[in-house]
Amino acid sequence: GEDVEQSLFLSVREGDSSVINCTYTDSSSTYLYWYKQEPGAGLQLLTYIFSNMDMKQDQRLTVLLNKKDKHLSLRIADTQTGDSAIYFCAETRYGGSQGNLIFGKGTKLSVKP
Amino acid sequence: NAGVTQTPKFQVLKTGQSMTLQCAQDMNHEYMSWYRQDPGMGLRLIHYSVGAGITDQGEVPNGYNVSRSTTEDFPLRLLSAAPSQTSVYFCASSREGGRANVLTFGAGSRLTVL
Repeated sequence: GEDVEQSLFLSVREGDSSVINCTYTDSSSTYLYWYKQEPGAGLQLLTYIFSNMDMKQDQRLTVLLNKKDKHLSLRIADTQTGDSAIYFCAETRYGGSQGNLIFGKGTKLSVKP
Repeated sequence: NAGVTQTPKFQVLKTGQSMTLQCAQDMNHEYMSWYRQDPGMGLRLIHYSVGAGITDQGEVPNGYNVSRSTTEDFPLRLLSAAPSQTSVYFCASSREGGRANVLTFGAGSRLTVL
């Protein structure tokens, strides 16, 4: 199976909450990340969470981590049309002296007015 | 600061041609990496470097070479381009690798191999 899995599409109405889910398989992952990619652009870090945390909140963004189920979610409150983008979940695969990020395939969020 | 700069933004090659994608960062980051992004495949790691003079292979290294002669630059070389290498390539860097590897990405280079 894949290392990091995400659903490929999510559609919501403006003003609703969006929840993007991710599952990972490496129990040794210590950091998990959410990146945002707007059309034609590179990836921008939204937030990341250390694996000893259950939740992290940053303005409209809430990250929940369930280590037992290896499940990570990103909730965007009051979703706006500007939030339309592809959202990538990633984990640090740690080996030796460095950590490489392993990305999911990305969830395309469409926000309808 | 410019951050991570990639050139060129667009390139069309014929099968068998060689070329180099350039990546430069001005943040004094030790860790640099190259990813390719394909539809439905997400991002896959090609090569990475934890400092000048040190490089290593990622998930999909075949057909690509890298070098890291300076901290700032991390070029990606395609020795003999193939249509399977048609993709969008992203360079990314971080202060250092390690457990909290917060990457800064370039804007990407779109490569088409005919």
